[in-house]
Formats: sequence, C-alpha cells, structure tokens
Amino acid sequence: DAGITQSPRHKVTETGTPVTLRCHQTENHRYMYWYRQDPGHGLRLIHYSYGVKDTDKGEVSDGYSVSRSKTEDFLLTLESATSSQTSVYFCAISESFDLNKAQYFGPGTRLTVL
Amino acid sequence: AQKITQTQPGMFVQEKEAVTLDCTYDTSDQSYGLFWYKQPSSGEMIFLIYQGSYDEQNATEGRYSLNFQKARKSANLVISASQLGDSAMYFCAMREGSGGYNKLIFGAGTRLAVHP
Repeated sequence: DAGITQSPRHKVTETGTPVTLRCHQTENHRYMYWYRQDPGHGLRLIHYSYGVKDTDKGEVSDGYSVSRSKTEDFLLTLESATSSQTSVYFCAISESFDLNKAQYFGPGTRLTVL
Repeated sequence: AQKITQTQPGMFVQEKEAVTLDCTYDTSDQSYGLFWYKQPSSGEMIFLIYQGSYDEQNATEGRYSLNFQKARKSANLVISASQLGDSAMYFCAMREGSGGYNKLIFGAGTRLAVHP
C-alpha cells in the first residue's frame, strides 16, 4: 500500500471557520492531488501539485487553497468553511504524469460544516 | 456532457458468479487511460486495473479484467468468481492525454452487492 496518511480523519466545524486538512506521503512522489467526493459525483479534483511550491487549480477550486512546502506534505485550506464544503476529501499521489500511472489515494477525511 | 458514464447505480451478484460493471467514456483524444477503483464500505479508494487506449489486449489483474471496446468507447469491468469481499462501490475513471496535469475524471460509481 502507498504510504499516504490524512489528518484529521474526521472533523466537524462551523460555518465561517478556517479548516486545514493535511496529506502526508512517504513515497517521495512528485505529484499530489486533492479531491472531494460527493454522492452522485464520483470524485472531483480541487487542486493539484506538481512539485514543491508548484500548485494549480482543478475543476472545483473555489473556496479552497493549497500549499506544498515539502515534497511529503500537501495542505488543503478552507479559508471560511461553508455547508456546501461538507464532503469527504481524498488526497492522492502519483509518481509521474504518464498516462499509465495510477493515482493512489489516502484514507480520506470526512468534513462536516454545520 | 458526462465524460464517464456508469449507468448502473446498483448491481447484485451471487457469490462465485461473474459480474460486469459498465463504463462508457467520451473523449476526442487519441491517447487516454482508463482506470477502475474499488471503494469498500471502509471508504478507501483502491486501484484495481488500468487500460491504455493503444493497448491491443484487454487488461487483466487476477479476477479483474477490463472489456475494452474502443469503437464503442466502453471499458467494462468484469469480476470473475465474485466473493463477498467484492461488495463495494466501483468507480471508472479516465485520464486524457491532453489533460496536462494528470487529472482523473470519475464516473458516479456502481454499488455492487455480492450475495451468499
């Protein structure tokens, strides 16, 4: 199994509060991703990183920011959480952009915004 | 338009029988990759199998095989000899060659229940 951990695994917060989710990998993979999973939508890409301090937006990036100061850590921040950001958040890693390289996922973080 | 379509919200199969989970995709790229992931009730996403658009043979990984029909743009997952532990959500996903950033596009998933 790929060495990917996410913290916290569960979080309940209130609307308007900032939230940071952490993804940590021990595989030394260059590429990291944040997805959210909602019923009926599969997984949708929020942000991704292609190296330390190199990040870019995915398809559902509004309301989220990311940072990557070390290869192993990729942080997702909700500056001011809203109820629409209640979701399960998955981090994924990949060693390359090659088409045949799978992305491997962390265990997920269940976030509830009240 | 949906790029990945999984038309079966739920399926059930008897233990030890084979089951096919459908996936159709839409892309104008010539180069793309197709993936299947399994999500058990515990929530993690597990990579199962990969098929490249230029691969001439259908991919196989143990009890999993991918029935790739390029002209029909379908990439169905076949699970042979189903086991109770196969009960899970299954997601089809695609990466397009022009994506540039290794984006995976997921379908909505199919929930499989294996009955004893």
